[in-house]
Amino acid sequence: QSALTQPASVSGSPGQSITISCSGTSSDVGNFDVVSWYQQHPGKAPKLIIYDVSYRPSGVSNRFSGSKSGNTASLTISGLQAEDEADYYCCSYTKSSTKVFGGGTKVTVL
Amino acid sequence: QITLKESGPTLVKPTQTLTLTCTFSGFSLITTGVGVGWIRQPPGKALECLALIYWDETRRYSPSLRSRLTITKDTSKNQVLLTMTNMDPMDTATYYCAHVPSRGHYTSYYFDFWGQGTLVTVSS
Repeated sequence: QSALTQPASVSGSPGQSITISCSGTSSDVGNFDVVSWYQQHPGKAPKLIIYDVSYRPSGVSNRFSGSKSGNTASLTISGLQAEDEADYYCCSYTKSSTKVFGGGTKVTVL
Repeated sequence: QITLKESGPTLVKPTQTLTLTCTFSGFSLITTGVGVGWIRQPPGKALECLALIYWDETRRYSPSLRSRLTITKDTSKNQVLLTMTNMDPMDTATYYCAHVPSRGHYTSYYFDFWGQGTLVTVSS
C-alpha cells in the first residue's frame, strides 16, 4: 500500500486559514469515513486532532476542522496561530484492514 | 488517565531481532473494542503503521513488513510486545505505541493516546 499524498509544506500568516489535502484511493480514504489527523511538534509524539473525518477530540481547538470528498480528505486550520506551526499527518483505514499514513505536511506560520 | 511507554534496546546490530515493549495504564486490553498499535518514524520522515493488536486477539500487520513482525499482548502485565526480525539500518526510527479506543461493541480507527516513543538505531 502506498502512503497517502499530502503537500510537503503549507504556509500562512497569523489569522489566516490554510487547508491541507490528503489524497488516497478508493481502497482507503474513498471507501471509509475514518480519516484521522495528527499534529506533531518537533521532538514530540503525534497528537490526535481530528478523527472519523470531522470529529474533534475533547480539548482540541475548534479552529481545526476536517472534511472529505471522494478520495481526498482535508484539514483546515482557521485563525492560524504561531503554536500551529508543526507537522501534520493524515491517516486512513484500508481495505487490507491496516492503516496508512500520509507523507506529512510542514505548516509554517509566516 | 491513559498512558503508554515504550521500552527496549536503543542500539541493535544488522540482522538482529528487535523486541520492544509497550507498557500501558488506564485501560485494559480485554475491554471490547480496545487495541494497541505500533507506529514508527525514521528521522525526518513520515509515520508508518507497523502492527495492531485488539482485545479479541485480532492482529493486523503492515503488508510490506508482515513477514518480519510479530505483535503479542500480555494482559496480566498490561503490555504489548513487538518483535521485528532481520533488522537493517533502514529500520532506524523512533518507535511509538498508541491506544485505539473502543466504541462499544466495535473498535475505532484512530490512535487517541501515544507513548513518548523510543529511538532505535540499527548499526554495526
